[in-house]
Amino acid sequence: DVKVTQSSRYLVKRTGEKVFLECVQDMDHENMFWYRQDPGLGLRLIYFSYDVKMKEKGDIPEGYSVSREKKERFSLILESASTNQTSMYLCASSLFRPTDTQYFGPGTRLTVL
Amino acid sequence: ILNVEQSPQSLHVQEGDSTNFTCSFPSSNFYALHWYRWETAKSPEALFVMTLNGDEKKKGRISATLNTKEGYSYLYIKGSQPEDSATYLCAYASNSGGSNYKLTFGKGTLLTVNP
Repeated sequence: DVKVTQSSRYLVKRTGEKVFLECVQDMDHENMFWYRQDPGLGLRLIYFSYDVKMKEKGDIPEGYSVSREKKERFSLILESASTNQTSMYLCASSLFRPTDTQYFGPGTRLTVL
Repeated sequence: ILNVEQSPQSLHVQEGDSTNFTCSFPSSNFYALHWYRWETAKSPEALFVMTLNGDEKKKGRISATLNTKEGYSYLYIKGSQPEDSATYLCAYASNSGGSNYKLTFGKGTLLTVNP
């Protein structure tokens, strides 16, 4: 079975802090994704990566950056956290095409105070 | 921006009832339609991927149909059980230009099955 893990289930940070959310997949998938999920808005794509060191902006990249130094790991970085970044963050991966079945991690609920 | 709509937003059914809900999406440049189930405190889990007009998929008591010409998909649950309680998400993939790298998700249908 594909396993996607995220570094934390719950995280509380203060405004202005730099925040790292880590995601690891163990099935050699080419593509990895970061989404945020907010009530009434559904899953929205922040960034995705189709290869090591390659990235593409999603629908809401502002205030975020990403890093993919190794194929199995995809990091989401909040350079200076703000309260409007309080959300549930989900990582996902897919095998070959970005539009293949996506496998999701358990999510990180981030609260920015 | 691609528009993927799901209805209803939420529904409550009794155990044993059959139910269905809808996902509508742009009918042009269709590539694939996904359904996911997202139970509380768990990860979203893939149910079906459908690519051809008229596709029907089945997994136990859950089935889905696809109409790409009119841009909709139905998800059916036969004889609902409390463990079917979850948010059901559909996601649309387009094969056009700038959108062919991603899935666009609907907001989901929250199903609650009362015992």
